[in-house]
Amino acid sequence: GAVVSQHPSRVICKSGTSVKIECRSLDFQATTMFWYRQFPKQSLMLMATSNEGSKATYEQGVEKDKFLINHASLTLSTLTVTSAHPEDSSFYICSAFRGFESEKLFFGSGTQLSVL
Amino acid sequence: AQSVAQPEDQVNVAEGNPLTVKCTYSVSGNPYLFWYVQYPNRGLQFLLKYITGDNLVKGSYGFEAEFNKSQTSFHLKKPSALVSDSALYFCAVRDMAAGNKLTFGGGTRVLVKP
Repeated sequence: GAVVSQHPSRVICKSGTSVKIECRSLDFQATTMFWYRQFPKQSLMLMATSNEGSKATYEQGVEKDKFLINHASLTLSTLTVTSAHPEDSSFYICSAFRGFESEKLFFGSGTQLSVL
Repeated sequence: AQSVAQPEDQVNVAEGNPLTVKCTYSVSGNPYLFWYVQYPNRGLQFLLKYITGDNLVKGSYGFEAEFNKSQTSFHLKKPSALVSDSALYFCAVRDMAAGNKLTFGGGTRVLVKP
């Protein structure tokens, strides 16, 4: 089956630093990728939709300057948390869209970000 | 706007007993409905979907779900739960008018006790 690789799985950083999270579709081309944020014991909140070769579409309330998304190729999207603060600590999950139906939405294994 | 509600934060069931996880939805058009499962510190795994056709949908790992249009529900069921079914379950809906974006319910934690 299709695989989405997300890296790193866990990152601890100091407040004020930037963190980059990579999401790769390993055996298919993903024209669209989604970035979600999940707080403990809560649901997934869609942050943004990343389209290859164009600007990402951010959900209401998500700071685009804070969460930079780059979808430079059909197999890679990156999320950079700039000037991270403790409130940015969360579980971030990417997903890649493969086809028309949403079961072709494959999820990465997630990145646990802890900002000290 | 589309929305999904999972009224139970947690469901406890004994191994071997039937398992039901409830989900209701709201969309303006025809719903595309999904169930996903999440194990600790992992991404989501697709279980099953309803697009059209039979109201009873069978999915992975022995799970099934019944689409009920009049009650706007899509409850997840398994006739005989296993300890390994203990996980976080998410119901999701996609409204065609909203493109490929999925809206997730709040999640229900399932705990199957031996």
